[in-house]
Amino acid sequence: DAGVTQSPTHLIKTRGQQVTLRCSPKSGHDTVSWYQQALGQGPQFIFQYYEEEERQRGNFPDRFSGHQFPNYSSELNVNALLLGDSALYLCASSSWGQGDYEQYFGPGTRLTVT
Amino acid sequence: DQQVKQNSPSLSVQEGRISILNCDYTNSMFDYFLWYKKYPAEGPTFLISISSIKDKNEDGRFTVFLNKSAKHLSLHIVPSQPGDSAVYFCAAGDTGNQFYFGTGTSLTVIP
Repeated sequence: DAGVTQSPTHLIKTRGQQVTLRCSPKSGHDTVSWYQQALGQGPQFIFQYYEEEERQRGNFPDRFSGHQFPNYSSELNVNALLLGDSALYLCASSSWGQGDYEQYFGPGTRLTVT
Repeated sequence: DQQVKQNSPSLSVQEGRISILNCDYTNSMFDYFLWYKKYPAEGPTFLISISSIKDKNEDGRFTVFLNKSAKHLSLHIVPSQPGDSAVYFCAAGDTGNQFYFGTGTSLTVIP
């Protein structure tokens, strides 16, 4: 049973560029949440997708956008990259409305902006 | 504004002894709490959770205690094992599924 997978593992981009990160949820899960984890910090919630719609959003600018596909996989897009966007981006999957808020995390994508 | 705080960045414990990791939160609307464990180069792994209707939840060597009036929760690991060495995050949220994480406590269990 495959867990949450993310690609790519590492990425280096230049300031001002755009990046797309990908996530496949754990089998049986229909909800995907994205988090940003800066060095020495805990994960910070970016947004959550369910039924191909953004359901909740954290305190992140519009440069951060996402998408969920019919197979429940998801993408995180970041435009106009800033140096401060360098972080580990984590994807977590869960089942919507099950009353169980346990989230399964992927290994993350390490983004470096130079 | 940090809604969930883990004030101890690190903790060292002898193997076989109890490890106690603490977490404080500020939002009284939070009603669900989780602990995650993270090894280097891996994503966080769910450990144990507790809802606000309980004050204790046990799972093997792991017990989480919740004190709602103090807005405080703690994770007890008994007995501690070297394989427990990792970074532990607490997370808190409401039933809307948005969770806020603390900054983590790095636990080292000394053999």
